[in-house]
Amino acid sequence: AQTVTQSQPEMSVQEAETVTLSCTYDTSESDYYLFWYKQPPSRQMILVIRQEAYKQQNATENRFSVNFQKAAKSFSLKISDSQLGDAAMYFCAYRSAMRGFGNEKLTFGTGTRLTIIP
Amino acid sequence: SAVISQKPSRDICQRGTSLTIQCQVDSQVTMMFWYRQQPGQSLTLIATANQGSEATYESGFVIDKFPISRPNLTFSTLTVSNMSPEDSSIYLCSVVRVGTDTQYFGPGTRLTVL
Repeated sequence: AQTVTQSQPEMSVQEAETVTLSCTYDTSESDYYLFWYKQPPSRQMILVIRQEAYKQQNATENRFSVNFQKAAKSFSLKISDSQLGDAAMYFCAYRSAMRGFGNEKLTFGTGTRLTIIP
Repeated sequence: SAVISQKPSRDICQRGTSLTIQCQVDSQVTMMFWYRQQPGQSLTLIATANQGSEATYESGFVIDKFPISRPNLTFSTLTVSNMSPEDSSIYLCSVVRVGTDTQYFGPGTRLTVL
């Protein structure tokens, strides 16, 4: 079974600075997807960024980028120019690329609470 | 992304009663899921809602406690039966749109059981 580990329960960053959230995972599969979701106090789970394991290029979405190290099974999220609206719980998640037999489900890490200091 | 709505957004219920949560999507999706998020915890998958057939439950979750329906491609319900305070959680539905591999989440239902 796949596992996802987020070793930082809490992180804080000054507004406008850069912060990196860590995520490692364990899998025997070679093809899969990795995601970062954000959950603000409103509790809505919002997709931040998505990475396909077969792509070597790191995904980027505006101020959000990932450092995907497949061999190390590491998938960190970098937030540049942090804004107050970035304050939330951030969850890393894994999904197999295989279809059927429950492979489409997401396995989540325990989350990192990010605080933005004005 | 898909527009996903959940009803109710929150509820406070008495022990021993049941609550049905609805999830509606604005377009056809291939898959629908139900997750539970206990206070201060991460998300745990309850089951995959299968259109026109019985849901597929994860280990630790049973149909008698969490019956699920999915009568068509855009709608699903989750019932939390015979509730106890331990069922107090956020319940979220998620969907995978046709042609994608990404799950999008509804706004969640915050359930408190007294």
